[in-house]
Amino acid sequence: ETGVTQSPTHLIKTRGQQVTLRCSSQSGHNTVSWYQQALGQGPQFIFQYYREEENGRGNFPPRFSGLQFPNYSSELNVNALELDDSALYLCASSFPGTWNNEQFFGPGTRLTVL
Amino acid sequence: QKEVEQNSGPLSVPEGAIASLNCTYSDRGSQSFFWYRQYSGKSPELIMSIYSNGDKEDGRFTAQLNKASQYVSLLIRDSQPSDSATYLCAVRLSGGYNKLIFGAGTRLAVHP
Repeated sequence: ETGVTQSPTHLIKTRGQQVTLRCSSQSGHNTVSWYQQALGQGPQFIFQYYREEENGRGNFPPRFSGLQFPNYSSELNVNALELDDSALYLCASSFPGTWNNEQFFGPGTRLTVL
Repeated sequence: QKEVEQNSGPLSVPEGAIASLNCTYSDRGSQSFFWYRQYSGKSPELIMSIYSNGDKEDGRFTAQLNKASQYVSLLIRDSQPSDSATYLCAVRLSGGYNKLIFGAGTRLAVHP
C-alpha cells in the first residue's frame, strides 16, 4: 500500500509570487484535505476535495485554491504570496464512508516566503 | 474560546513513567477524536482514534474519552525517549465534511 506523497519537499519563494504544491493520496483513498501548519501551531484546515470538487473550506482567502484529478491526486495553488504564508503545508488523504474516517498525512512541503 | 485546547508543555517525564496528555474541545456534538504524534521537522502521524466514551487501548497507548466533560486524554505507559515529540489532539466537528480541528499540541520530553 502506497502512502501519501507530496512534492516538493522544500520551496523558497518571494513575496507576490505564485506557488503550486502537489499531493498523491494513499492507495484507495479518494478524499484529499490540505492543512497549513505555522511554527508552533497545530495544522489549520484549508480545504478538502472529494470526487474532484471542493467539499469544504476553512478560513483562508480565495488566493488559496486547489484541484483534484481523476486519479485523486491534488494540487494546492497560492497566488500573491505573503510573508505569513511561510509554513508547512500538509496534505491528508482519507476514504469517506468508513466508520472511522481517519486522515493520514503526507510528509509535507515546507514553504518559505522571503 | 479555542475549539480544541491543549497545554503546550513541555511535559517532562522520566523513562518508564506514564505520560498523561489532555485535551478539551468546545463542540459538544463532536463525534470523532484523534491523537497524532509529530516529531520535530516531520509531519503528524496518527497514533490513536476514539469515538465512544471510555478507554481504548493500543499497545502502550490508551485514549480516554468523556463526552459529557468534552475531554480527551492520551496515556503513554512505559514512556521511552523515542516518545519525545509533540502530541496533537484533533477533533472532527459534528455535521458536514471530514474537517479536523487541531489543538496547538503538547510537547512531551522523556528523559533517561
